[in-house]
Amino acid sequence: GAGVSQSPRYKVAKRGQDVALRCDPISGHVSLFWYQQALGQGPEFLTYFQNEAQLDKSGLPSDRFFAERPEGSVSTLKIQRTQQEDSAVYLCASSLGTGLNNSPLHFGNGTRLTVT
Amino acid sequence: AQKVTQAQTEISVVEKEDVTLDCVYETRDTTYYLFWYKQPPSGELVFLIRRNSFDEQNEISGRYSWNFQKSTSSFNFTITASQVVDSAVYFCARKNNAGNMLTFGGGTRLMVKP
Repeated sequence: GAGVSQSPRYKVAKRGQDVALRCDPISGHVSLFWYQQALGQGPEFLTYFQNEAQLDKSGLPSDRFFAERPEGSVSTLKIQRTQQEDSAVYLCASSLGTGLNNSPLHFGNGTRLTVT
Repeated sequence: AQKVTQAQTEISVVEKEDVTLDCVYETRDTTYYLFWYKQPPSGELVFLIRRNSFDEQNEISGRYSWNFQKSTSSFNFTITASQVVDSAVYFCARKNNAGNMLTFGGGTRLMVKP
């Protein structure tokens, strides 16, 4: 596709529900990132994939958060037993290379998750 | 944690004014990369510039210019002759040489009024 595509655009979940957020990166992009952006703040790193390998998951806030990219393209971020503090915009980004030193990061529009 | 600080949370200017957005970063590394992104109301982060720590030359791109001062750990962004379309939240970010994580500042909301 022309850009990074995320779905759904908006998601409302009741506390305790599980949610799955989808990211379609730019075709051929090796690297994929998930960021969490709370209201009025800058994005914070969650996890990084190089193809299908999850090389860094140091930013995942708890074991309720799980991400996968089984075929090295589409990625899903799953949040189990959602809590109100999970309410945020979840941004997906991809880049062509294996690092950001030479290829810029392209972001999607994000999924706004509201937990009630 | 090595922070990125954008002290100005919100700036309001009138169209055609020049405006500078400040960014100060912390790092213990000699090699690192600095970025600016624009986030319009649509939510997508738009890449503006990437600089590495060895290149202290200031850069100009149209109405945009960037001033990298390693001695003060600052990477400020100036918009000349601002336009209403420049209204957005602007984020400064840093990446160390190793790893792929971007550390973002808290952002500066720029409002350009006609």
